[in-house]
Amino acid sequence: LAKTTQPISMDSYEGQEVNITCSHNNIATNDYITWYQQFPSQGPRFIIQGYKTKVTNEVASLFIPADRKSSTLSLPRVSLSDTAVYYCLVGPGYNFNKFYFGSGTKLNVKP
Amino acid sequence: DGGITQSPKYLFRKEGQNVTLSCEQNLNHDAMYWYRQDPGQGLRLIYYSQIVNDFQKGDIAEGYSVSREKKESFPLTVTSAQKNPTAFYLCASSTGQVNTEAFFGQGTRLTVV
Repeated sequence: LAKTTQPISMDSYEGQEVNITCSHNNIATNDYITWYQQFPSQGPRFIIQGYKTKVTNEVASLFIPADRKSSTLSLPRVSLSDTAVYYCLVGPGYNFNKFYFGSGTKLNVKP
Repeated sequence: DGGITQSPKYLFRKEGQNVTLSCEQNLNHDAMYWYRQDPGQGLRLIYYSQIVNDFQKGDIAEGYSVSREKKESFPLTVTSAQKNPTAFYLCASSTGQVNTEAFFGQGTRLTVV
């Protein structure tokens, strides 16, 4: 199981772009990278998933370099409502997914 | 609307009592999961079920029990053997296929006094 490392916390201001990086040095060939968002006293919700290069959806972009040993979640023009914990999950590309969540990154968006 | 329903949202129990947390999904998902979250921490896997009538221990199963008699339901019992049961409990489901997302309920906050 690939271990992930994220910053414990980050601060930003409204309107800024926020980039949260996750390290996963022992990612396996078949592993995917998935990011979830969790607000206080709520369950996490899926944000974005990717395997390599860049993936973009209506809320975020995910950048994955060629070696896939890290990934960066990019949130454009954050607002106060983006204050949450963001989790990076890696794997599995085969077998059953048990969805292992680490400690995540607490993003605090200030006015 | 499809989704996962956990009940109740808040639960108080006296020490030494067993308590059962409800989790129901209408997403037709094969897989279901229970997680525990302590303040400022990530989620830890308690039990999971890949298919009805089958379930497996996660990383912190001691003091907990589950059943999966119906595809839609995956109740979690917190027994008196659980040393520190006060926590936020989250239930999730997925199709069980690789690279699919997990859908979470709103959680149950259990306080044992």
